[in-house]
Amino acid sequence: DAGVIQSPRHEVTEMGQEVTLRCKPISGHDYLFWYRQTMMRGLELLIYFNNNVPIDDSGMPEDRFSAKMPNASFSTLKIQPSEPRDSAVYFCASSLATPWAAKNIQYFGAGTRLSVL
Amino acid sequence: SQELEQSPQSLIVQEGKNLTINCTSSKTLYGLYWYKQKYGEGLIFLMMLQKGGEEKSHEKITAKLDEKKQQSSLHITASQPSHAGIYLCGADRNFGNEKLTFGTGTRLTIIP
Repeated sequence: DAGVIQSPRHEVTEMGQEVTLRCKPISGHDYLFWYRQTMMRGLELLIYFNNNVPIDDSGMPEDRFSAKMPNASFSTLKIQPSEPRDSAVYFCASSLATPWAAKNIQYFGAGTRLSVL
Repeated sequence: SQELEQSPQSLIVQEGKNLTINCTSSKTLYGLYWYKQKYGEGLIFLMMLQKGGEEKSHEKITAKLDEKKQQSSLHITASQPSHAGIYLCGADRNFGNEKLTFGTGTRLTIIP
């Protein structure tokens, strides 16, 4: 398997523009997670899905952020409008629901480095 | 305040030396997961610990979870350049929860 695939790897945009980050999880995985990593706040969970359904979006910073998972093989994280403080590395990860012990073994993509000018 | 504290924040070690990284929680953990991150890359799963007193090893890396399940250590023996990177501990705080909280990370540099 190719692993979790994220695109683009790098994104530079101007404040106020819409940004869409994409993720393809590992085939057969039940959970998909979106994280944001910054020097100041470390790795933060934004939202996660189980079988394409959002389970917990309490980490989404504000209404400018939205995430969708239209099918088992694709998810997007959208920021509209973007602001300089959104600059960070955004990671997508996926995991299996079973066996139970493996539920939290998450497989990460390489990340998207977002710079908002 | 951080729910998971890692120490040290950064570590510079001469190649061949041993080192230890710690991860401490103020609450009992149901599971503790160690990941490694290289610059510009995603996290790679290293080991999972679930039982108090549990210890696991893989190649030259050993991870332990204390009996109270509130502290874990990651020990590297005879460090190599390939061990360089950021080590993060992650924890699930609720039984059956698939959500992880991560520590702030420890940046490890290996010098020749």
